[in-house]
Amino acid sequence: DQQVKQNSPSLSVQEGRISILNCDYTNSMFDYFLWYKKYPAEGPTFLISISSIKDKNEDGRFTVFLNKSAKHLSLHIVPSQPGDSAVYFCAAILYNNNDMRFGAGTRLTVKP
Amino acid sequence: ETGVTQSPTHLIKTRGQQVTLRCSSQSGHNTVSWYQQALGQGPQFIFQYYREEENGRGNFPPRFSGLQFPNYSSELNVNALELDDSALYLCASSSRQGAGGEKLFFGSGTQLSVL
Repeated sequence: DQQVKQNSPSLSVQEGRISILNCDYTNSMFDYFLWYKKYPAEGPTFLISISSIKDKNEDGRFTVFLNKSAKHLSLHIVPSQPGDSAVYFCAAILYNNNDMRFGAGTRLTVKP
Repeated sequence: ETGVTQSPTHLIKTRGQQVTLRCSSQSGHNTVSWYQQALGQGPQFIFQYYREEENGRGNFPPRFSGLQFPNYSSELNVNALELDDSALYLCASSSRQGAGGEKLFFGSGTQLSVL
């Protein structure tokens, strides 16, 4: 039962341009969403999150947008840098629940 | 500040064997969660330990079991290994149970191959 889906396995963008990573979910009870970044041979690291009561959260070059009616969230990276090349996981959680559901990930490649 | 460490980094076992994976939580953290990441998929929640007791479990059979020790380090045990158990096993620690996801700090994982 895959409740969090990332339908694009990979994305390639040019340095300096915008990267947009997408995520869809099916469970309307999720009320907290996160993005993690994973480099090879390392564990995932937290990037940015958003509560279901908001529709946007910004942290430097990273912005997450939430569309609850469409059950869709996206991560925007502007401007993209080669060091952003990694696998990005979308995750969803019932707040204060310990079962976090992850998408399958999108591999982002930023070309110099 | 010491991060989350996992051992071993790689492991090869045969079907039917038992395996124990180990995790040392980040300093100051009392909660440990275990995840299984199969190839091409996202991490799947196995279970969480808080103050030495299981505090939530995902959709994994009983042959997946765990322990947490007084120093908050943890073990994941898998009995009767199956080929589908081949995966990256990730440990994550946090400072309180049921923490929002940003409070999770992941180790680099143990890559288990079952032949």
